[in-house]
Amino acid sequence: DIQMTQSPSSLSASVGDRVTITCRASQSISSYLNWYQQKPGKAPKLLIYATSSLQSGVPSRFSGSGSGTDFTLTISSLQPEDFATYYCQQSYSTHTFGGGTKVEIK
Amino acid sequence: QVQLQESGPGLVKPSETLSLTCTVSGGSISRYYWSWIRQPPGKGLEWIGYIYSSGSTHYNPSLKSRVTISVDTSKNQFSLNLSSVTAADTAVYYCARQEAGYYNYWGQGTLVTVSS
Repeated sequence: DIQMTQSPSSLSASVGDRVTITCRASQSISSYLNWYQQKPGKAPKLLIYATSSLQSGVPSRFSGSGSGTDFTLTISSLQPEDFATYYCQQSYSTHTFGGGTKVEIK
Repeated sequence: QVQLQESGPGLVKPSETLSLTCTVSGGSISRYYWSWIRQPPGKGLEWIGYIYSSGSTHYNPSLKSRVTISVDTSKNQFSLNLSSVTAADTAVYYCARQEAGYYNYWGQGTLVTVSS
């Protein structure tokens, strides 16, 4: 199985901050990497697919980049509604998720 | 707008079989892949498996011996059976539509507790 490692596991940030979350795959997954946002008690919401494609309706402050084994999700200017947990997911082979990154208010 | 809704018992006894159904509305179940994903309380997401509308399946190797996913296109539903459950199977179970490897539609999730 391909293991997905996210870092950090949690972070504290302020509104307006630029936030970067990293996801590393245990082997190359090309560009088969997706990002989700999850708020407490809710289902995950797709933000980014295929590394860098923005899902319809998702604000442009979210962006993704990377290839091979190293990927990043960037929030250019953190908004109050962005405090949540973020997960990466690879779809190169048997689907696996990263462990999550909780973004908290500083 | 496609909507998914999970249904099934919220409590299952150890060693028994967990059975859930996902009803799809607002669109056809045909020509898509449909998945089950679970999340133990306070933990991360685990992909269980998926089924294509034709009935072909692919399961997480760690659960493969206990999982069966089926589809009923006439009812626009797909189902999950997980046998020989233990407390480790306690989780919120989500159904989701898969498109090109990502999940763009999700059910609200249903908590299944394994306890005697």
